[in-house]
Amino acid sequence: RKEVEQDPGPFNVPEGATVAFNCTYSNSASQSFFWYRQDCRKEPKLLMSVYSSGNEDGRFTAQLNRASQYISLLIRDSKLSDSATYLCVVNMGNTGGFKTIFGAGTRLFVKA
Amino acid sequence: GAVVSQHPSWVICKSGTSVKIECRSLDFQATTMFWYRQFPKQSLMLMATSNEGSKATYEQGVEKDKFLINHASLTLSTLTVTSAHPEDSSFYICSARDLRGFTEAFFGQGTRLTVV
Repeated sequence: RKEVEQDPGPFNVPEGATVAFNCTYSNSASQSFFWYRQDCRKEPKLLMSVYSSGNEDGRFTAQLNRASQYISLLIRDSKLSDSATYLCVVNMGNTGGFKTIFGAGTRLFVKA
Repeated sequence: GAVVSQHPSWVICKSGTSVKIECRSLDFQATTMFWYRQFPKQSLMLMATSNEGSKATYEQGVEKDKFLINHASLTLSTLTVTSAHPEDSSFYICSARDLRGFTEAFFGQGTRLTVV
């Protein structure tokens, strides 16, 4: 089983649609969680952190369920510029050593 | 946010030669840097974790003698691809976190390596 798994995608949605991405992680000791966005042939950029209480940033809402080891990202009112690959990212480890694991990514195409 | 600078952004080299990629944290100290590889249409795959002043920790399947990692200071890690082959052609990205450890990772711009 992969350490971080995401919906395979791609998701093809019209402008204005709401789209949700799911992610699960296998290591219950994982400690922090993020969603990154990666545009073609570019480095990933942080979209938002994910907190246990859930958090929202404009059209984006992230949620974490530690019991189910599940993370989600909801995008409302999709824009053309949202087209990208969305990566679920998990930090695991402790002060003696830690690493960042990426999900395979879910590709989103928003069409006019 | 914090800045991580990676150099070069792209490189073309002949088979059998070695290529060095640098990763610098410009405005923070990073005890740990991570090196990733990404093949076309695939996700980032962690290759190794680079710890300042000690040996790197490699992921399973990554040859430590082929991908030499040096992390001599809190702001610089290097990855050297030795005796490069065409199948090593890929997008290599480094990332770093500050000393606190559990913040988000900041990424370099990536290096596109083409071995001919």
